[in-house]
Amino acid sequence: AQSVSQHNHHVILSEAASLELGCNYSYGGTVNLFWYVQYPGQHLQLLLKYFSGDPLVKGIKGFEAEFIKSKFSFNLRKPSVQWSDTAEYFCAVISGNQFYFGTGTSLTVIP
Amino acid sequence: EAGVAQSPRYKIIEKRQSVAFWCNPISGHATLYWYQQILGQGPKLLIQFQNNGVVDDSQLPKDRFSAERLKGVDSTLKIQPAKLEDSAVYLCASSPSSGGYNEQFFGPGTRLTVL
Repeated sequence: AQSVSQHNHHVILSEAASLELGCNYSYGGTVNLFWYVQYPGQHLQLLLKYFSGDPLVKGIKGFEAEFIKSKFSFNLRKPSVQWSDTAEYFCAVISGNQFYFGTGTSLTVIP
Repeated sequence: EAGVAQSPRYKIIEKRQSVAFWCNPISGHATLYWYQQILGQGPKLLIQFQNNGVVDDSQLPKDRFSAERLKGVDSTLKIQPAKLEDSAVYLCASSPSSGGYNEQFFGPGTRLTVL
């Protein structure tokens, strides 16, 4: 079955630590990849997206993600997290008109 | 620009009752989505509209769920009758057109509790 896996369910980091959240998908065809973020009490909003071209994409607030086709992965990274990055992060894959979200990773950044 | 509007924000009902949610997408957005997000899970697409036509409703439990998008703008999602397992946040999203090239803009969601 098609799926999106986010293996880290809950991550706790201190400020200035580096972040990497994993995302793996199981679709074989052409996919478009997204990371969405949901800050406490706010809507889901787009962090970054990959459609084609450079597999290293940069998003808002210093986040970036790397698409590795051979590993079916689209991991999210940030070199130095801030307290304000505390949020729920969702990886999403679109294949055709089908949208699939991962289960989410809850990130807590300790000041 | 105004975002996606949803109402109500919260709803508590008893099982076997009916409930309806309303969504007003961003002006000019042709595509509208309804998602169900159960606690601890990611959003699951229920139905996708392109203007007032259904693009995909393969994951909509049609025995109890229905949705419509009259005139290609606002949309309502109805559950009749509700079950305990329907407790979730129902998210509405819109995008300029269908397909993966367009960012989806999400509303605040409606949190449904079925007792």
